Order: sequence, then structure tokens, then C-alpha cells
Amino acid sequence: AQSVTQLGSHVSVSEGALVLLRCNYSSSVPPYLFWYVQYPNQGLQLLLKYTSAATLVKGINGFEAEFKKSETSFHLTKPSAHMSDAAEYFCAVTSPGSSNTGKLIFGQGTTLQVKP
Amino acid sequence: IAGITQAPTSQILAAGRRMTLRCTQDMRHNAMYWYRQDLGLGLRLIHYSNTAGTTGKGEVPDGYSVSRANTDDFPLTLASAVPSQTSVYFCASSDSASGGIDTQYFGPGTRLTVL
Repeated sequence: AQSVTQLGSHVSVSEGALVLLRCNYSSSVPPYLFWYVQYPNQGLQLLLKYTSAATLVKGINGFEAEFKKSETSFHLTKPSAHMSDAAEYFCAVTSPGSSNTGKLIFGQGTTLQVKP
Repeated sequence: IAGITQAPTSQILAAGRRMTLRCTQDMRHNAMYWYRQDLGLGLRLIHYSNTAGTTGKGEVPDGYSVSRANTDDFPLTLASAVPSQTSVYFCASSDSASGGIDTQYFGPGTRLTVL
């Protein structure tokens, strides 16, 4: 069975500071990994995804994540936080293969607060 | 292009009542999904459909049913609502379910309260 753990339900940073949101996964097969962002009262939108190509994945809005198999991690980072980055962030995992029906397993989410 | 629309935006429902949440996409995506979002639990898959005419159970299917009569619509029905079904419901779609690689696009959600 696959699972995702996001360490820290709330993260608070100052504007301009580094953003680090942690995600660890469990999977018996090489996974596909995703980060989604949810702004208040909106649906989720994709930030970036890892699909077994480059281990360092760049996404929208200056975010990136690095797949580390040895650590079973896929942490999300951004060098300099903006006020507009305040949102909830979800890490998700699925398994590749033709039998996969695209079902995503989500972590519990991390709320990012950006202080002026 | 609207993407995914969901209706209603919010609803308060008496326990025991029947309710259908509507979801329509205009992207001609093959696969569609229903999730519920609960505080501290993230999103959990309720039901999915790989293509029109087929459906499958997700992680938390009990108390819910779906149908997929055509490509665009994927309604979710609560036959007899219970308070534990109070949640925010999101519909999503992807171009293909095959292989798991495709991005899922989410609707704006329906906030349901069952009293």
C-alpha cells in the first residue's frame, strides 16, 4: 500500500525567507509524486510532478522539489517566499503502470503562512 | 474554457435526505474522480471513472454512488445522508487514467453540511 506523510500541518515563514515543506512517501514500487496547492476557497492546482525523469523537478511560481529515493522524500522548496504563496499544500503519490487507474493518495496537507 | 464546474457551491442537508452533487468537465477528459476533503486527513478518493460507462471504488466509497453516462458528467449521489458525510467534495478529471502520469484538474468544490 502507498502512503504519504507531510511533516508539519502548519509552517510559518517570513516574506523573502526559504520555504521548505516536507513530504515522505511509502511505496513498494517506484512512485509518481505530485505537489498540489490549494488557495482559499478554491480547488487544487498542480505545482509540479515527478515521473521518473530528472530527480529535481521545477514547477510553477518558483517552486521545486527533489526526489530522493534513499530518503523516500519529495520535499518542496522555494528560495524566497511571497505573500501570495500563503495556501495549503498537498503532496500526493501514485504508482506508474498500465493497470493504474490514476488514483492519487494524498498527504494530510501543510498550511503555509507567510508573514510580512 | 470553464474546465470543471461543480454544483451546488454549498448545501445544508438534513440527515436521511438524498443528494446529488453535480460535476461537469469540458476538456473531453477520459478519467474523472470524486474526492472528499476533511481537516487533517487531506483528500480521499471516493469513486473514479476511467472512461464513460465504467466506474470504480476508491478509498472511502461507502454511502456514495456514481454514474458515468457520458464523457462530460460525473454525478455523485448520497442516497441517505449522514452527519459524517459533512465535508468538502472535489471533482477532478485527467486526460487518461492509464499509467498514472496525467495531471488531475480539480473543480472548485462543494461544501456539504449534513445535520
